[in-house]
This record gives sequence, structure tokens and C-alpha cells, in this order.
Amino acid sequence: QKEVEQNSGPLSVPEGAIASLNCTYSDRGSQSFFWYRQYSGKSPELIMFIYSNGDKEDGRFTAQLNKASQYVSLLIRDSQPSDSATYLCAVNKRRTGGFKTIFGAGTRLFVKA
Amino acid sequence: ETGVTQTPRHLVMGMTNKKSLKCEQHLGHNAMYWYKQSAKKPLELMFVYSLEERVENNSVPSRFSPECPNSSHLFLHLHTLQPEDSALYLCASSQVKNRGLTGELFFGEGSRLTVL
Repeated sequence: QKEVEQNSGPLSVPEGAIASLNCTYSDRGSQSFFWYRQYSGKSPELIMFIYSNGDKEDGRFTAQLNKASQYVSLLIRDSQPSDSATYLCAVNKRRTGGFKTIFGAGTRLFVKA
Repeated sequence: ETGVTQTPRHLVMGMTNKKSLKCEQHLGHNAMYWYKQSAKKPLELMFVYSLEERVENNSVPSRFSPECPNSSHLFLHLHTLQPEDSALYLCASSQVKNRGLTGELFFGEGSRLTVL
């Protein structure tokens, strides 16, 4: 089982729709959860983080965390062509002496104009 | 200069060459990282330095040698690499919090390495 799993996509949605990106993780002791966006040829940039169960909203983005199900999701409302990118889920996993950040392989999102 | 800067942005080297990648962070963070990104694979954590001490070495071959002279600078020394080492090498920094939580990562633009 991969430590952080994401559907590689591509996920294709029309402009204005809601894009739903999902991620599962294997370590129940994971504490912090992140979504990074990576445009083609660019480096990842953080767009959301969530530490507690429930929803966290920031503009058009909502992160959802369910620790019991070991599931994290990212919703993008009113999707725009500029949202087309690869979205990386990342999890702080326990290690000796602290935590380390483990990434999923990413989901490619394509928003059609 | 702001954020995390990496040089060179592109590097082509032969298998017998020795080269170095450089990273500098201007965010006042206390941890720095090297990640490797290959096509269609997750980001692979290579090395972590926290407070200038190496705290993570993920079974990386010895042909990769990191150096962290201070909290703002990180190097990756490369020698006798293999073609399969061709990838995007990303440097990142973060502020390590209580209980060792790594916090949000801020990435540089990466160094695209091609080994012939």
C-alpha cells in the first residue's frame, strides 16, 4: 500500500464546475495535511493545509479531512482554466524524532473553457 | 531575493563529471530539504537538514552528497551519476514546529538535471 495515494487522472471538468480531488493515507498517526499545486514546468506551491477533522475553506478552495477514514479531499469551486495543474496531496508522517512530509504522485486537473 | 532560489536551473553532465546544486532560502526557516521529482512518480525525499544537522537520509546513493553550511544554504554535490538520476531536483525550506512537525514547505524552482 502506498503511503499517500491519489488518482493520477487526468480529471477533466468544465469551466465553472466543482473539481473534487481525493487522497488517502496509510499512517493513522499523521498530523498535518497539505495540498500543493504544480503547474507544468514549475515547482509545487502550497494552496491549503488542514490539521483538524472537518472542512476548511479559503476562497474557492475547501479542504476536507476525515482522520477516521484516513481521507483528505480538495474541492475547487467555480473552476477556471487557470486551475489546470497537477495537485499534490502531502501528509506529515511520523518518523523517529519527529515527522516528515510524504507526497502522493498527484492528480492532473484539466479545466475546459 | 525572496523565497527559495536554486542554481543552476538546468544542468547537463556526463557520468564522470562532478557538479553541485545550490539552494538558498531567504525566509528565516530552520529546516531545508532536497527532493527528487521524476516523471509520473511522487516527490522523493532525499535529505533533510534541521538546524543545520542532517536528520534524514532516505537511503540515497553515495554519489549524492549534501552539505548544509548554515541555515540559509544547502548544496547537493553530484559525482559519477547515472542516466537514471536525470530528474528535477527540488530544494525546499520550512519552519519546524513543536514535536518535529515540518510545517508548510516552500519550494525553489528546481534544477533540471540531465545525465548523459
